[in-house]
Amino acid sequence: GAVVSQHPSRVICKSGTSVKIECRSLDFQATTMFWYRQFPKKSLMLMATSNEGSKATYEQGVEKDKFLINHASLTLSTLTVTSAHPEDSSFYICSARDRLYTGELFFGEGSRLTVL
Amino acid sequence: GESVGLHLPTLSVQEGDNSIINCAYSNSASDYFIWYKQESGKGPQFIIDIRSNMDKRQGQRVTVLLNKTVKHLSLQIAATQPGDSAVYFCADLSLGQGGSEKLVFGKGTKLTVNP
Repeated sequence: GAVVSQHPSRVICKSGTSVKIECRSLDFQATTMFWYRQFPKKSLMLMATSNEGSKATYEQGVEKDKFLINHASLTLSTLTVTSAHPEDSSFYICSARDRLYTGELFFGEGSRLTVL
Repeated sequence: GESVGLHLPTLSVQEGDNSIINCAYSNSASDYFIWYKQESGKGPQFIIDIRSNMDKRQGQRVTVLLNKTVKHLSLQIAATQPGDSAVYFCADLSLGQGGSEKLVFGKGTKLTVNP
């Protein structure tokens, strides 16, 4: 089946540094990828929709300059948390939709960010 | 605002029993619904989906029911097993601002299966 890979799965960084998380569709092309954030024992909160070749669409309340999203190819989207602070610590999850639109969205295994 | 929510935050059942997890949605324009299972520390796993032109869909041991009149969605798991213990989310795919699609998750129900 289709697989979405996220890297890194875990990352610890110092406050003030930037962290990049990659989301790759391994065996299909994804024109649309979604980025979510999840706090412990909470639901997934949509941060932004990443469209290949165009600017991401951010949800209300999500800082564009804080969470930079780039979808440069049909198989890769990246989320960069800039000038990270402890409150940015969270579980970040991406999902991708097959370009051929099979209807199913495939999720990555998530990336746990801890900012010290 | 638009939201997809769940009635119960936790559900505890005995192994072998049937489980029913409920979900209410508010966006009448929603046309595609998905149930996901999430185990601790992992990403969501697709279980089953249903489109708004259907009211029932069955998979292996799972059935999703959609009642558009009352905007209610349910997931039924037959013969629940310990491996079914996880958090279950319903999600709603609809068009957001600018025509881009959005997948919005409900709050989640934690299912615990007791042996």
